[in-house]
This record gives sequence, structure tokens and C-alpha cells, in this order.
Amino acid sequence: AQRVTQPEKLLSVFKGAPVELKCNYSYSGSPELFWYVQYSRQRLQLLLRHISRESIKGFTADLNKGETSFHLKKPFAQEEDSAMYYCALKGSGNTGKLIFGQGTTLQVKP
Amino acid sequence: GAVVSQHPSWVICKSGTSVKIECRSLDFQATTMFWYRQFPKQSLMLMATSNEGSKATYEQGVEKDKFLINHASLTLSTLTVTSAHPEDSSFYICSARTGRKDEKLFFGSGTQLSVL
Repeated sequence: AQRVTQPEKLLSVFKGAPVELKCNYSYSGSPELFWYVQYSRQRLQLLLRHISRESIKGFTADLNKGETSFHLKKPFAQEEDSAMYYCALKGSGNTGKLIFGQGTTLQVKP
Repeated sequence: GAVVSQHPSWVICKSGTSVKIECRSLDFQATTMFWYRQFPKQSLMLMATSNEGSKATYEQGVEKDKFLINHASLTLSTLTVTSAHPEDSSFYICSARTGRKDEKLFFGSGTQLSVL
């Protein structure tokens, strides 16, 4: 089965603290994983994807096939990082459809 | 970046009526569009994949006759909730696939449907 699990509904940290949003997946084959972010009253937008191996807004995510994880990390959280974060897995086939995790609300307190 | 326009942003309707939601790619051609449904504080659940000029592919458990999808052009897909009932009340989100080599998905701003 293809599945994405984000175990934390809410993660609350203080400004400047490190952040790790957890994501685990279930997929047979080579997965393609993404992190999407939704700021308050805005639409869902791509934050980063593992194939690009990029760092966006200080966030990074490494694919760990052994642990089937794709955790999102940032060393020093900022208040503007407060948002809803979704981990997503590209489904099999060529449709490009995404399977989303339940989402984690990140709350960065001043 | 690419823009996906979704209308209306919210709609209230009476039980038994039909509601149409539009999803447009404004500055690119979208060969594939996706329709998601999101309940409060829950994840996005894919309802169907819409391909231009062909029938939509529905996910298991999604009623085809209830949720009619039309993808008549490369820039427009519509979702019609037919004979809406209160349990259809939800947040509906569309996304469009650019179809370029470095394909990306862009999302609409969503439609909040409330059925009375």
C-alpha cells in the first residue's frame, strides 16, 4: 500500500529552536517525496522535493530509505515558519497524483 | 510561478441542488488536473484525476455520478457536485500539473462548500 504518515498533528517550538517534522512513507519501488506548506489563508505550495536536494527557506529533508522517512528539518525556527506542512508521495504510474500525509501544524512562538 | 485559479472560493447551497466548481490554469496548459477533498483538520484526499479530452479516473470509493468532472480544455477542469447533501460539505481543492519536463503541481486556493 502507498501511504504517508505524519505522526504529529501539532508541533510547537520557540523561535530559534530546531525543528523536525516527521514523515514516514510506505511505497514499493523508488519513492518521490515532497513537502508542501500552507501558510494561513494561502494556498498549498511546494516547499521542496527530495530529487532536487535543495534547501528552501532554511528547510532541508533527506530521504532515508532504510527508515522509510523523509523528515523536514530546520536548525533555527522563525515565527514566519508557522504554517501547516504536508508530506506527500508521488503515486505509482504516470498520472503525477500525490498521496498526502495528515499534515503537521508548526507553531513557532516568539 | 504558475497560477491556478479556483472559483468560487466558497458556496452555500440547498440540499438537492448541484454546484459547479471551476479550476483554471492561467498561464500554462495543464494536461492533467487533480481534485482533492479535505475535511477539517484532516489530510487532502484525492478524489479523481482529470485528463484533458478523456474521462476522469476516480479513486476508490468516490461516486462518479455524484462528482462529475469535465476537463474540456487544457486550461479548465470543472467539478460538479450533483444533488448535494450536507455530508458533501467540505473543502475542495484542485491542482494542475504543468506537463513540462520538470513537472510541478500547482494548487488552487480551494472551495468551501456548505450544503444546508
